[in-house]
Amino acid sequence: DIVMTQSPDSLAVSLGARATINCKSSQSVLYSSNNKNYLAWYQQKPGQPPKLLIYWASTRESGVPDRFSGSGSGTDFTLTISTLQAEDVAVYYCQQYYSSPYTFGQGTKLEIK
Amino acid sequence: EVQLVESGGGLVKPGGSLRLSCAASGFTFSNAWMSWVRQAPGKGLEWVGRIKSKTDGGTTDYAAPVKGGFTISRDDSKNTLYLQMNSLKTEDTAVYYCTTGGSNFAYWGQGTLVTVSS
Repeated sequence: DIVMTQSPDSLAVSLGARATINCKSSQSVLYSSNNKNYLAWYQQKPGQPPKLLIYWASTRESGVPDRFSGSGSGTDFTLTISTLQAEDVAVYYCQQYYSSPYTFGQGTKLEIK
Repeated sequence: EVQLVESGGGLVKPGGSLRLSCAASGFTFSNAWMSWVRQAPGKGLEWVGRIKSKTDGGTTDYAAPVKGGFTISRDDSKNTLYLQMNSLKTEDTAVYYCTTGGSNFAYWGQGTLVTVSS
């Protein structure tokens, strides 16, 4: 199984500042035949189901604000929130869909400083 | 608008069975690959399994912890996804989410809580 490890486990950032969450996979999730990284990011607010933010490591889902961006390739990925808003308080998960079982990171809790 | 509404959760004793349902609307259910993802209380997300569309073979795939005990099925005439859970264990206690997609998950239901306890 591919193990997904996020860092940090929790993060406190000031309103308007940049937030960065890292995700590392135990093996590459880059599929060489199409040059796509099979990596998604989700946001989960308290009491709500997760919401897909980004897929193919850097493609924003429709309706997701452009302050959210994804980057990275192979085994190392980053979710960046460029200007933190109060409504961004949530737990963020990365997930690989390169191979079954489709595994998630342990989550990163983002709070306001 | 895509809607996924889970039902069937509740309290069950270890070794018992439960069947969850997910009523889907707002998209062409018969063409969709569907999955179940669970979340134990206060914990992270765990993929449970998926079912392909019938046109893609209708086959299923499961995570190791549930293989042999859980069965995913679908009724395209009712736009409904099912999760039959047998031989339940305390560690199966979780909110179970129905999601669209076979590998990444664009839409999620609100979830249904399954509690396995004596």
